Amino acid sequence: KNQVEQSPQSLIILEGKNCTLQCNYTVSPFSNLRWYKQDTGRGPVSLTIMTFSENTKSNGRYTATLDADTKQSSLHITASQLSDSASYICVVSGGENAGNNRKLIWGLGTSLAVNP
Amino acid sequence: DAGVIQSPRHEVTEMGQEVTLRCKPISGHDYLFWYRQTMMRGLELLIYFNNNVPIDDSGMPEDRFSAKMPNASFSTLKIQPSEPRDSAVYFCASSRRGPWTSGGGYNEQFFGPGTRLTVL
Repeated sequence: KNQVEQSPQSLIILEGKNCTLQCNYTVSPFSNLRWYKQDTGRGPVSLTIMTFSENTKSNGRYTATLDADTKQSSLHITASQLSDSASYICVVSGGENAGNNRKLIWGLGTSLAVNP
Repeated sequence: DAGVIQSPRHEVTEMGQEVTLRCKPISGHDYLFWYRQTMMRGLELLIYFNNNVPIDDSGMPEDRFSAKMPNASFSTLKIQPSEPRDSAVYFCASSRRGPWTSGGGYNEQFFGPGTRLTVL
């Protein structure tokens, strides 16, 4: 069964601290993995995309990693800011564009609260 | 570009009434997606279109839900009759290419602000 599981479900940290969010998936075949940030009351916005051959990718204070062998991804946030308070959602795409086995599986997200 | 536009932003209706949600995708995007988001189930893909043609509607919960895309710049999601369990935030998203494509950045989905639906 194709699944995406995220942990922790929620997290509270102090401003300036680092944190790491986890995403485990069983989607096969694998195409790519995206991390989205969703602020309260808004639609999700893409932070980064990881393809099969990529291990690490950074976007400012956000760094995503991918281990395609263990089917795990992480999102590391450095020097957190109050504006990082949001839900972070992992979504895994599978199958090829022209194939019949396309999949788009969303995780439930991790709710992050950054407190002053 | 104005981004994906959805209307209305909020909708409150009574059980049994018809509800129509509207979406205008980003110009030039070939894919349009409708999602439903709840606390318990997260984001659920309901249906998606490619070049105005519905490709996969396996996520549509039941026959009360229907979606159309009469042209490249407009889509609707209709619920008739509505029920309290339909209460959720409904998002529309568009992308230049399918999110399953493995190369490039053109498969990013851009989301609208959502419609918060409350069925009493």
